[in-house]
Amino acid sequence: GAVVSQHPSRVICKSGTSVKIECRSLDFQATTMFWYRQFPKQSLMLMATSNEGSKATYEQGVEKDKFLINHASLTLSTLTVTSAHPEDSSFYICSASQAGSEQYFGPGTRLTVT
Amino acid sequence: GNSVTQMEGPVTLSEEAFLTINCTYTATGYPSLFWYVQYPGEGLQLLLKATKADDKGSNKGFEATYRKETTSFHLEKGSVQVSDSAVYFCALILGGGGNKLTFGTGTQLKVEL
Repeated sequence: GAVVSQHPSRVICKSGTSVKIECRSLDFQATTMFWYRQFPKQSLMLMATSNEGSKATYEQGVEKDKFLINHASLTLSTLTVTSAHPEDSSFYICSASQAGSEQYFGPGTRLTVT
Repeated sequence: GNSVTQMEGPVTLSEEAFLTINCTYTATGYPSLFWYVQYPGEGLQLLLKATKADDKGSNKGFEATYRKETTSFHLEKGSVQVSDSAVYFCALILGGGGNKLTFGTGTQLKVEL
């Protein structure tokens, strides 16, 4: 149980385009989802926290107009990287939790912007 | 602010060797401490946790003890296997912090026959 999926696992896009990453909780209802970014050999950095049906809370330094997060249902959250640039290339990981319990992590999405 | 410091990897061990991965933390309160493991191509999985000082978390032969006096939560295993090869992340959550995890940089473990 407690499986979280992400789609796509890898994506390459051209500079200036937008790309959407999906995070799904497959067998539980996720009241809260988290989006992280991971650079090579560095920590997972929390980007934002989203609660179902409400606006996401972004961490300091994260541009909310660039990284659009939608948590429209209890099983799906999406992260859209708008007007992507090469510096947005990274590994994006989501996690989901139910009512403040343990976070369950997705396998991550490797974004490469050319 | 809150932070977690882990030893740099990769750590390479022979099968059946003893494992220690050091983790120390800085926090403004009394955090709960976690070890997560990430196997190749998979998401992070909770390995073990401890919620207060002197608690010992254990799972799959791994152990870590919450040491408040040294602000540490070192991960240990008496005899590693090839299947333990993965990246290990130390992390903390502060009570009232909205369930936000603060991670260390991760330590890659390679176990060879």
